[in-house]
Amino acid sequence: QVQLQESGPGLVKPSETLSLTCTVSGGSISSGSYFWSWIRQPAGKGLEFIGRIYSSGTTNYNPSLKSRATISRDTSKNQFSLNLSSVSAADTAVYYCVRYVGSGGHVLSDVFDVWGRGTTVTVSS
Amino acid sequence: QSALTQPASVSGSPGQSITISCTGTSNDVGSYRLVSWYQQYPGKAPKVIIYEVTKRPSGISDRISASKSGNTASLTISGLQAEDEADYYCCSFARGDTFVFGGGTTVTVL
Repeated sequence: QVQLQESGPGLVKPSETLSLTCTVSGGSISSGSYFWSWIRQPAGKGLEFIGRIYSSGTTNYNPSLKSRATISRDTSKNQFSLNLSSVSAADTAVYYCVRYVGSGGHVLSDVFDVWGRGTTVTVSS
Repeated sequence: QSALTQPASVSGSPGQSITISCTGTSNDVGSYRLVSWYQQYPGKAPKVIIYEVTKRPSGISDRISASKSGNTASLTISGLQAEDEADYYCCSFARGDTFVFGGGTTVTVL
């Protein structure tokens, strides 16, 4: 059973870069029709898609964050990461790493099916 | 790209049915059968309850159903139970290979 675990600093200063890592266990991030995604949720608010990286390395981003977000992967460690630059208080949120399963031979398809527990990041000086 | 529109809250008595709407545009809900719904309890990660507009994952109650018409998707919970009290989010694939979520609906069981 695939499990995802977020890690990274809980506090980031304004204008700096937020860096988070997601460690995946129980499955390889470089195989299958899976996308490895980041989704965030400010306290008391809704969910926001940040971006995702395919098993091949291709990335997609939310247009509103594309200029600041970079998602990368380390297949040797079975991890993928998020860098969000020039952060402000508006970036304070719970950040989830999430698996998106594409279509083709899976029990579920085209859905965010496995979520990490989330990690809280606060942007403050 | 704007968030999908959901009512902030919906309530019902035990045993009743409720429906949550999720309105998007022709750039998302209206163009793709890639609408999903997530249930979230306080302090927990969301959990998928509907995918590809109408499909329920194994283990999800058959009291939960969903549909789509034009730019609006809907989630219905019938036979409302105390355990259904949670936040619900819709999500759609959107033009530009991205995703948009709804603002969330809090379901209260009276």
